[in-house]
Amino acid sequence: DIQMTQSPSSLSASVGDKVTITCRASQGFSRWLAWYQQKPEKAPKSLIYEASNLQSGVPSRFSGSESGTDFTLTISSLQPEDFATYYCQQYNTYPRTFGQGTKVEIK
Amino acid sequence: EVQLVESGGGLVQPGESLRLSCAASGFAFSGHSMNWVRQAPGKGLEWISYISSGSSSIYYADSVKGRFTISRDDAKNSVYLQMNSLRDEDTAVYYCVRDGSGPDYWGQGTLVTVSS
Repeated sequence: DIQMTQSPSSLSASVGDKVTITCRASQGFSRWLAWYQQKPEKAPKSLIYEASNLQSGVPSRFSGSESGTDFTLTISSLQPEDFATYYCQQYNTYPRTFGQGTKVEIK
Repeated sequence: EVQLVESGGGLVQPGESLRLSCAASGFAFSGHSMNWVRQAPGKGLEWISYISSGSSSIYYADSVKGRFTISRDDAKNSVYLQMNSLRDEDTAVYYCVRDGSGPDYWGQGTLVTVSS
C-alpha cells in the first residue's frame, strides 16, 4: 500500500498568509493525487485533481504541485472561508489512501 | 447539477447487516466509476471501496474485505454498499464519491452507528 504522510497536522495562520501543506508518498507515482477541503460537519469538497488541476469553481488562490514523492497544496492568500481541514489522497493504486489531514486554524 | 444522496444509515448491533444506497443525478451515471469513503467520529477519511463503470473492476480496503460488497444498478442510477458482520469500528459517516476529474463529487454522507 502507498502511505501518504501529510504535514503539518495543524497550523495557525492569519488572513492573507501564504499556506503550504505537503503530502509525501511512500512510493513514487506521478500525477494521480487529489486534495480536499472539509469544514466541520460537512462533506469534503474536491479542490485539486491530478496533482495540479483545479476543480471547477475553486478559487485560483489554491494551487497544487508535485516534486518527486512530495505533493504540495498552496493557498496563496488565506481567506476567512479557508479555515478548514485539508486532506490529500492518492488514486494511483488500490487501496486509495488518504493523508492524515491538516487543520488550518485562525491565528 | 451533480447530486449524490446517500441513505440507509442507522443504529445496528455488532454482527448485524446494513445496506447503504447512493442515488445519483445530474450526470451520465453509467459512465462513471464510484467509490465509498468513510469517516469515523473525529477521525480522518478512509477509502473503502471502488466499482468501475460496467462493474468490471471492484476493489476493497482490507478493513472491509470479505464483509462489505459494493454494487451498482445503472438503470436506477444508484450504487450500493452491503455491509455484513458489522463491528464497532465500522461506526462512521459513509460518503459516496464520483470519479470524474479525479474523485470529484461527494454526497452529504449517511451515519452508521454500530453499538450494543
